[in-house]
Amino acid sequence: GENVEQHPSTLSVQEGDSAVIKCTYSDSASNYFPWYKQELGKRPQLIIDIRSNVGEKKDQRIAVTLNKTAKHFSLHITETQPEDSAVYFCAAGVTGGGNKLTFGTGTQLKVEL
Amino acid sequence: EAQVTQNPRYLITVTGKKLTVTCSQNMNHEYMSWYRQDPGLGLRQIYYSMNVEVTDKGDVPEGYKVSRKEKRNFPLILESPSPNQTSLYFCASKIGQGAGNTIYFGEGSWLTVV
Repeated sequence: GENVEQHPSTLSVQEGDSAVIKCTYSDSASNYFPWYKQELGKRPQLIIDIRSNVGEKKDQRIAVTLNKTAKHFSLHITETQPEDSAVYFCAAGVTGGGNKLTFGTGTQLKVEL
Repeated sequence: EAQVTQNPRYLITVTGKKLTVTCSQNMNHEYMSWYRQDPGLGLRQIYYSMNVEVTDKGDVPEGYKVSRKEKRNFPLILESPSPNQTSLYFCASKIGQGAGNTIYFGEGSWLTVV
């Protein structure tokens, strides 16, 4: 089955700096890669996703890149703000058939003033 | 408002006392699932259901049961809870099959087994 590794487990940045979280996956059949943000005491919520037919996707201050050859994808947050502090989960799965979405172990991002 | 509702949100129980965590969604989603979240382990799938009367094991099904008698409801049953089932539990749903559809999570249920 799919195995998703996520690094780092904790990340501390100064407000205004950029943050990068990286994930690798093992199953070459995976073609859908979402990122979820979980604020303290709340449920995970989808913030951005990418499918294997594109290499990069942006939404304001967040972007995700995908390297299918190397089987890794990354979340980039620019101009970080205190409200970006949360746990971020990457995941990998296969569209249009299997329902399985495998999550990474999470990254605790702390944006310091 | 689209919602996944689970209850109870917080529960402390004793070893061996059967409990049920309910989950209900109002989005007419075919797919529902249960996850547990533990520090350093992320979100791990317990059971999932692709439609009424169709359930299957996820990655960590031991000690849990589920049922899907109605499309909107997907209760999680702990027949004989043990301390290693102390965790944060999330119910989730999404439309249709395939991993490429957005998962909607419930607000979570904190369970402590003493």
